[in-house]
Amino acid sequence: DAKTTQPNSMESNEEEPVHLPCNHSTISGTDYIHWYRQLPSQGPEYVIHGLTSNVNNRMASLAIAEDRKSSTLILHRATLRDAAVYYCILPQGGSEKLVFGKGTKLTVNP
Amino acid sequence: DTGVSQNPRHKITKRGQNVTFRCDPISEHNRLYWYRQTLGQGPEFLTYFQNEAQLEKSRLLSDRFSAERPKGSFSTLEIQRTEQGDSAMYLCASSLASGPRGRLELFFGEGSRLTVL
Repeated sequence: DAKTTQPNSMESNEEEPVHLPCNHSTISGTDYIHWYRQLPSQGPEYVIHGLTSNVNNRMASLAIAEDRKSSTLILHRATLRDAAVYYCILPQGGSEKLVFGKGTKLTVNP
Repeated sequence: DTGVSQNPRHKITKRGQNVTFRCDPISEHNRLYWYRQTLGQGPEFLTYFQNEAQLEKSRLLSDRFSAERPKGSFSTLEIQRTEQGDSAMYLCASSLASGPRGRLELFFGEGSRLTVL
């Protein structure tokens, strides 16, 4: 899988936007960018994915740089329930498994 | 269907004993994955099945580990002659073979925590 780089940790205040960055300079043209998160004591859960254009869903938005070498997961209004480890993953084209790194641990302050 | 179910949720065993974990995937999902996670690390891929066929197995998986999915439904992960280094959370996930537009959405269970004394 293409290598991703994420900060180890980030902090946010409740009800403020959060921008979680991910660098993936070795991304190939067919790699989709996936984000998962893992809440405490739970298995990971899918958040969002995209290829080239920005994506929105009920959980978050994904902003993808024009050169695709970086992306940003945006939580528009963080809540305490968003405190989790967020993983940015690029399954290689055709790969059917996820390879997780260490992710970014997000702390949300009340 | 309420999601991926794993049993037991917790297992404490002595070094050298064998343990078996069971995973019941979401019923219509044909892919089933096993991961292992230790404290402070992301989940590590172990193996995955499509229906009953084991399609990929990590080099991390020693010969003490074996996984089966005999009828393409539930799966078991057995660890023989457990070692203290096997202590971890064992996560199971399931998915459909191909999601729309590159979507690779795995649904994870809550895991089975193994403690080897």
